[in-house]
Amino acid sequence: SQKIEQNSEALNIQEGKTATLTCNYTNYSPAYLQWYRQDPGRGPVFLLLIRENEKEKRKERLKVTFDTTLKQSLFHITASQPADSATYLCALGIKAAGNKLTFGGGTRVLVKP
Amino acid sequence: EAGVAQSPRYKIIEKRQSVAFWCNPISGHATLYWYQQILGQGPKLLIQFQNNGVVDDSQLPKDRFSAERLKGVDSTLKIQPAKLEDSAVYLCASSTYFRVEMNTEAFFGQGTRLTVV
Repeated sequence: SQKIEQNSEALNIQEGKTATLTCNYTNYSPAYLQWYRQDPGRGPVFLLLIRENEKEKRKERLKVTFDTTLKQSLFHITASQPADSATYLCALGIKAAGNKLTFGGGTRVLVKP
Repeated sequence: EAGVAQSPRYKIIEKRQSVAFWCNPISGHATLYWYQQILGQGPKLLIQFQNNGVVDDSQLPKDRFSAERLKGVDSTLKIQPAKLEDSAVYLCASSTYFRVEMNTEAFFGQGTRLTVV
């Protein structure tokens, strides 16, 4: 069966450290992968997109890697700040399904001062 | 640029009642998504429209849920009759679309929190 798995346990991290989140998938052939941030009571907000032929993308303190052989994406927040505390969602874009956007369960990150 | 608008923000209904949610996507966005997000879980795609045509509705419980997108702009999602397990946040999102290879991010509304009692 098709699965997108993110660590369901919250990630507690000290301010200034790097937070690393994983997104693993099975039985998908995504054209791209996206990462979103979601705050309580709000809709997800887009952060980064990485395509199947790209290995790494960066945006400010964020870095995403995409390994289609391992079927895994890593999401890094460097020099983390308390304001980075939120739930982070990965989403796969399925080209064969008309750009269907399918989400993982999300990982909650808590950055402590 | 105005964002994705959804209404109502909150809704409480009794089981077996019907409810409707409305979404106005960002102007010019051809793709519109409806997601269901149960507390503590990721968003689950219910239906995806491309203009006013349905691209995917494989996870829409069609015996009780229906959705339409008239004229390829606004959309409504209806539940009739509602069950207790339908309690969730219903998120609408939209994105531009050029061709399948040129994907863009989805912009989400704030969602409608539905409580079925």
